[in-house]
Amino acid sequence: LAKTTQPISMDSYEGQEVNITCSHNNIATNDYITWYQQFPSQGPRFIIQGYKTKVTNEVASLFIPADRKSSTLSLPRVSLSDTAVYYCLVGDSKDSSYKLIFGSGTRLLVRP
Amino acid sequence: DADVTQTPRNRITKTGKRIMLECSQTKGHDRMYWYRQDPGLGLRLIYYSFDVKDINKGEISDGYSVSRQAQAKFSLSLESAIPNQTALYFCATSDWGAGGRDNEQFFGPGTRLTVL
Repeated sequence: LAKTTQPISMDSYEGQEVNITCSHNNIATNDYITWYQQFPSQGPRFIIQGYKTKVTNEVASLFIPADRKSSTLSLPRVSLSDTAVYYCLVGDSKDSSYKLIFGSGTRLLVRP
Repeated sequence: DADVTQTPRNRITKTGKRIMLECSQTKGHDRMYWYRQDPGLGLRLIYYSFDVKDINKGEISDGYSVSRQAQAKFSLSLESAIPNQTALYFCATSDWGAGGRDNEQFFGPGTRLTVL
C-alpha cells in the first residue's frame, strides 16, 4: 500500500473552509484514496473515497489532480463538531484482500 | 456504530493475566478486524478475518490471538497481558463485492485496556 504524508495538525475557525492535503507519491494505478474521520475515544468513520478528479458528498469534497500524487479533503464551513483526526488512506479498495493502513492522521482543531 | 458492539468498554488488569475482548456485529458482514490505537497514533491492525474459516495476522499480532466463533463474533485474547499492551482496542467490520463502497469499515466504540 502506498505511504501517505499529511500535516500533523491544523487549526481553523467556525464557518471557514478547511483543506487538508495528503501526499501519496507512490500511488498505484488501481489505488483509491479514502478519508476517515475519528473523534476522541471513538472508532474512525468513513468520510469519502475517490479515484480521480473530484468527488463530493453531503459532508466533504475530495480533489485529486491528474497525476494522483496528492489529494485534498475539503470541509466546507466547519463547525466545532468537526474537531477530529482525519486519516488519508491509499490502496486498492476494490481488491478483495484490501486492508486499511493508518498513518498518524491530521488533527483538526476548530475554534469558536 | 451501534451495529458493532464491543465488551467490555473498559478493563483494568494485571501483568500476566489472560484477557478476552469480544466483538459482535449485526451488519451481516463477513469481514472483521481488530486494531489497537496508542495515544496520538493511528490504528494498527492486529488480526483480521475475511470469513469464519479465514483468519490472518496483521501488523502486530505477537502476544495476541483471536477466535472467530461465528460470522457475527470475533474475539481477541491477550494470553499473558503486559503493560505495553495498554491501549484502545477497536473492532471493525466490512463487506466486499456487495456494491456500494467496497471495503468501507465500520468500527465499534472501542475497549480501553489498562495493564498494570
